[in-house]
Amino acid sequence: GENVEQHPSTLSVQEGDSAVIKCTYSDSASNYFPWYKQELGKGPQLIIDIRSNVGEKKDQRIAVTLNKTAKHFSLHITETQPEDSAAYFCAAFSGSARQLTFGSGTQLTVLP
Amino acid sequence: ETGVTQSPTHLIKTRGQQVTLRCSSQSGHNTVSWYQQALGQGPQFIFQYYREEENGRGNFPPRFSGLQFPNYSSELNVNALELDDSALYLCASSGTRRGLHNEQFFGPGTRLTVL
Repeated sequence: GENVEQHPSTLSVQEGDSAVIKCTYSDSASNYFPWYKQELGKGPQLIIDIRSNVGEKKDQRIAVTLNKTAKHFSLHITETQPEDSAAYFCAAFSGSARQLTFGSGTQLTVLP
Repeated sequence: ETGVTQSPTHLIKTRGQQVTLRCSSQSGHNTVSWYQQALGQGPQFIFQYYREEENGRGNFPPRFSGLQFPNYSSELNVNALELDDSALYLCASSGTRRGLHNEQFFGPGTRLTVL
């Protein structure tokens, strides 16, 4: 089945700096890659996603890149703010397995 | 438009007992997926229901079962609870777009503690 690895597990940045979180996946049939933000005591919230026919997608301060050949995708957050502090999860949807597989998460802390 | 809701918020059970968790999907969504999230880990897929039928299952034993109702709300049932079942149980709903995987919107979860 699909295996998604996520790095780093923790990340601290100064307010205003950029943050990058990286994920790799194993199933070449995976075709949908969402990113979720999860605040303490809440469910995951979809912040951006990308499909396999696109290499990059941007939404204001957040961008995602996908390299299908290398089977990795990354989340980029620019001009970080304290409210960006949360756990971030990448995921991959495998059409063959018909399920969404999550990475183990990155705890992002933005220091004021 | 109401979002995904789950009940109860918290639950404490003892080993061997049975539990039922409930989820109301977002308005207009006909697909519900259930996930188990252990502390410090990513969510793990349990199963998905589409139009009242199971539409995919992860690597969970048969004592994890579910239902979806005509209004697309759903239940997750866990029998013979084990200590390792302690986790946050998340429900996610999604709509239908032909030929594409659909965005999943999560509820706040039910925190289950098994003693």
